[in-house]
Amino acid sequence: EPEVTQTPSHQVTQMGQEVILRCVPISNHLYFYWYRQILGQKVEFLVSFYNNEISEKSEIFDDQFSVERPDGSNFTLKIRSTKLEDSAMYFCASRSGRGDTQYFGPGTRLTVL
Amino acid sequence: AQSVTQLGSHVSVSEGALVLLRCNYSSSVPPYLFWYVQYPNQGLQLLLKYTSAATLVKGINGFEAEFKKSETSFHLTKPSAHMSDAAEYFCAVSSKAAGNKLTFGGGTRVLVKP
Repeated sequence: EPEVTQTPSHQVTQMGQEVILRCVPISNHLYFYWYRQILGQKVEFLVSFYNNEISEKSEIFDDQFSVERPDGSNFTLKIRSTKLEDSAMYFCASRSGRGDTQYFGPGTRLTVL
Repeated sequence: AQSVTQLGSHVSVSEGALVLLRCNYSSSVPPYLFWYVQYPNQGLQLLLKYTSAATLVKGINGFEAEFKKSETSFHLTKPSAHMSDAAEYFCAVSSKAAGNKLTFGGGTRVLVKP
């Protein structure tokens, strides 16, 4: 069964460094999402992406964040200058053009020191 | 605007007992409702969903949920808990009007006692 994959599974970085989190959505899906879950808190929506542009972004998704679909398979989330409070589990999800269900990847645990 | 409230951040049940996890939602448009499960150190797995068809929805692992519009609820149940049901459960709401983005509840962690 097709699944969403994410790399790396864990990322440790120093405050102020740039990180890129990678996702490979399900191959025929058209809508892509990033969510994050700070330890002990709710899963929060960050951004949605369709047709090579951002459809919607939350107030969390400030200028330090960007998303890109550099080729036909990858979907990336970049944080330009990480802060301590960016430490969280980041989930990628994808949805087909006809469906209403988002399928989630296993997540990347980001730790900012 | 849409929101989800899950009553009880922790639930403890005995093996073989009924599992009941409560979810109430708020949505200004017809909602899509979902239950996801998260096992330790894993991602979110879809358990079941309601998208305007039958109000009683059956999912994987013996779980089911009933959409009650009058109560704005979508409670999750399982008649008989297994040890393998120990996990965190998230209720979520979305809608076409909201661009299908998911708004999650705070989660309910289920502990199953032998």
